[in-house]
Amino acid sequence: DSGVTQTPKHLITATGQRVTLRCSPRSGDLSVYWYQQSLDQGLQFLIQYYNGEERAKGNILERFSAQQFPDLHSELNLSSLELGDSALYFCASSLPGQGNIQYFGAGTRLSVL
Amino acid sequence: AQSVTQPDIHITVSEGASLELRCNYSYGATPYLFWYVQSPGQGLQLLLKYFSGDTLVQGIKGFEAEFKRSQSSFNLRKPSVHWSDAAEYFCASSDRGSTLGRLYFGRGTQLTVWP
Repeated sequence: DSGVTQTPKHLITATGQRVTLRCSPRSGDLSVYWYQQSLDQGLQFLIQYYNGEERAKGNILERFSAQQFPDLHSELNLSSLELGDSALYFCASSLPGQGNIQYFGAGTRLSVL
Repeated sequence: AQSVTQPDIHITVSEGASLELRCNYSYGATPYLFWYVQSPGQGLQLLLKYFSGDTLVQGIKGFEAEFKRSQSSFNLRKPSVHWSDAAEYFCASSDRGSTLGRLYFGRGTQLTVWP
């Protein structure tokens, strides 16, 4: 168990809908990262938050947004969903000063029908 | 930008045989390097990491990796594979000395183990 909790494990929804994925980092970790894993793109970095502030953006679509709350949990919001958004979404967390070692949750599998 | 290449998409070995999974990175300086393993339906588990110093690093589950600067490689090895090692393996890199710690992943190598 990595200590990173993601909910829900599975999500099935329809095109055009909006969903929210939730991540609770390991106790004490200040940084949260979101990654998308798909067959055609592999593992792609989406966005990083550090202690509530956005720190880095990767290949995140404008339809996607995220935030990190004062208790350090994070949510990834996906809107106007398309078939191509079907993927496994991972959250990871880390402590600063530990060489960017990231601990991953089990992921949320999103299926857009 | 950094990039990580795993040349082998799929490798099949017999149980008890040795294993080497290849990884090459592309970056101006030596990055932090990692190997993760993903079992079906699971998240990514860190096997080992290289920051600096000894170029042969030991990890969990009997895995080791060797950093070779001259070849920009960080290959993962195991002397004797067990059936439970069947999984997908990802090599990753990260900027050294940066708090923007995003990981750059290779496309992964799927390992099949024959009994």
